[in-house]
Amino acid sequence: EVQLLESGGGLVQPGGSLRLSCAASGFTFSTYAMSWVRQAPGRGLEWVSSISGSGGSPYYADSVKGRFTISRDNSKNTLFLHMYSLSAEDTAMYYCAKGPERGRFDYWGQGTLVPVSS
Amino acid sequence: QSVLTQPPSVSAAPGQKVTISCSGSTSNIGNNYVSWYQQLPGTAPKLLIHDNNKRPSGIPDRFSGSKSGTTATLGITGLQTGDEADYYCGTWDSSLKVGGFGGGTKLTVL
Repeated sequence: EVQLLESGGGLVQPGGSLRLSCAASGFTFSTYAMSWVRQAPGRGLEWVSSISGSGGSPYYADSVKGRFTISRDNSKNTLFLHMYSLSAEDTAMYYCAKGPERGRFDYWGQGTLVPVSS
Repeated sequence: QSVLTQPPSVSAAPGQKVTISCSGSTSNIGNNYVSWYQQLPGTAPKLLIHDNNKRPSGIPDRFSGSKSGTTATLGITGLQTGDEADYYCGTWDSSLKVGGFGGGTKLTVL
């Protein structure tokens, strides 16, 4: 059974930094691209970033480019999102998702909440 | 603004059928697969349809997907109160290497 478990969320002040983690199990982690998708309170889904199975090809939404860094540790089946220079606009539930695989995100974690506020 | 355009809400009675549209452009929907996700209140999104019209294991055949040009459509037949949720279309631009979702459609089963 595929499981994705995010952690690392929590209240952070504007301008601060945070590192999110996603522990994966139930599939061959290094074989698949992985992604982060966020959802601001009461809003829709926003793709944030994706990384290839090998970790060599990261991609970012324009809204986070230069501020967020996606990475992975295939030896520990873990995905990361390093977030810097956070602002209120980054307040959201952050979901870890398996994929894209032929364009789909086929499994999602339960999310970790990141409120950015002073 | 979302990359893809969906109606904010749709509604229908139990047992009826509803369709949800998702409009994009040649660069996203036109040249890439479309997926659909169901998000029940307070839960994470769940894959409902992939590759435009394929259902993952466990998804009932009441749910269907189609695509024509730059528009995709999700269909739900035999509506149940348990289908009340937000539905999102999504795509991955394989050329630009960016993902995109619609703004979401809230389904109300009256």
